[in-house]
Amino acid sequence: AQKITQTQPGMFVQEKEAVTLDCTYDTSDQSYGLFWYKQPSSGEMIFLIYQGSYDEQNATEGRYSLNFQKARKSANLVISASQLGDSAMYFCAMREAYNQGGKLIFGQGTELSVKP
Amino acid sequence: DTAVSQTPKYLVTQMGNDKSIKCEQNLGHDTMYWYKQDSKKFLKIMFSYNNKELIINETVPNRFSPKSPDKAHLNLHINSLELGDSAVYFCASSFRTDNYGYTFGSGTRLTVV
Repeated sequence: AQKITQTQPGMFVQEKEAVTLDCTYDTSDQSYGLFWYKQPSSGEMIFLIYQGSYDEQNATEGRYSLNFQKARKSANLVISASQLGDSAMYFCAMREAYNQGGKLIFGQGTELSVKP
Repeated sequence: DTAVSQTPKYLVTQMGNDKSIKCEQNLGHDTMYWYKQDSKKFLKIMFSYNNKELIINETVPNRFSPKSPDKAHLNLHINSLELGDSAVYFCASSFRTDNYGYTFGSGTRLTVV
């Protein structure tokens, strides 16, 4: 069964430094998508970045990059130049192929705190 | 224009009551979902509808009944509410046949007292 694991319940980072949030996944599918979502204290789910299983290049979106290591089944999120507004819960997620149900499965989340 | 809108945002109700949460999306997506986020922030899928047809029905008490009148709407009705139903419920939508992520609504915080 598909599974997403985030082993860091909480992380601290100094403002302006980079931080890596870990994510590993388990699937037997060849086609899948990997995502990171941010959930600030206001509660909404904000899409950050997407990586397709066939994409050879690591995805980047502004200060966010996804370090995709397919053989290790890891999809770590790197946030560069952290800002106070980055303090939030971060979820890694994997979408099953649609012919497998297409579910978006989430990890347990990592709570990031950015210190001034 | 809000892409996925849920109402109400907050819902406080007594045990035993019946309540509904409404969801609408204007993205033209063909699939909609309900997720439950528990007190530990864990997000779990409950239901999924594709063009009004139920395609995912996870292990959810049958007090929860989704209804999709058309592909732009997916409502969640909960009968005989229990304390353990207190959670944040998220609606989401997507296209079924791609690998892209979902667009989420802003969530409904349900508190059962």
